[in-house]
Amino acid sequence: AQSVTQPDIHITVSEGASLELRCNYSYGATPYLFWYVQSPGQGLQLLLKYFSGDTLVQGIKGFEAEFKRSQSSFNLRKPSVHWSDAAEYFCAVGGMEYGNKLVFGAGTILRVKS
Amino acid sequence: DGGITQSPKYLFRKEGQNVTLSCEQNLNHDAMYWYRQDPGQGLRLIYYSQIVNDFQKGDIAEGYSVSREKKESFPLTVTSAQKNPTAFYLCASSPRGGSSYNEQFFGPGTRLTVL
Repeated sequence: AQSVTQPDIHITVSEGASLELRCNYSYGATPYLFWYVQSPGQGLQLLLKYFSGDTLVQGIKGFEAEFKRSQSSFNLRKPSVHWSDAAEYFCAVGGMEYGNKLVFGAGTILRVKS
Repeated sequence: DGGITQSPKYLFRKEGQNVTLSCEQNLNHDAMYWYRQDPGQGLRLIYYSQIVNDFQKGDIAEGYSVSREKKESFPLTVTSAQKNPTAFYLCASSPRGGSSYNEQFFGPGTRLTVL
């Protein structure tokens, strides 16, 4: 079955430090890749997406992600974390191999310490 | 402003009761989705609809029902057959066609608690 793995359930970083959240998907020759962010009790907001082309994509709030086909990965990065970035982050994969639906990872909860 | 609305934000249900969660979108999207979210499990797809008057079961459809009589509306009914309905429910929509078909926009969610 199709799956998306976010190996880190929780991550704690200091404010101003860099951040990398990991995401791996199980298969797909042409995956569509997404990162969403969710604040407690809220819906999901799209941070960035990759459909094709340049494998380094820029998103909102200073986030970026890099698609590495050889590693089936789509890791999310931010060079300097702000306290307001504390939230839960979800990676999702879609595309024809996924029946044009999205499969979500279990999420990574980011805590920011001052 | 275009968007997705879900109501109510909080819903309490007694065991054995059916309840209906509302989802409305004014984005003119063809496809709509219902997800269930439990801590540590991400989002699991309950039902989805790619066009009016048509819908398909997702991964965890048992104990739920939906209808899609209008393009902008996709209500979810949680029936008494759902054994563990307490959860956060998210509705989403996406445009139809091409790669954008996969990009989903989410509502603010409904938290259902069974008393």
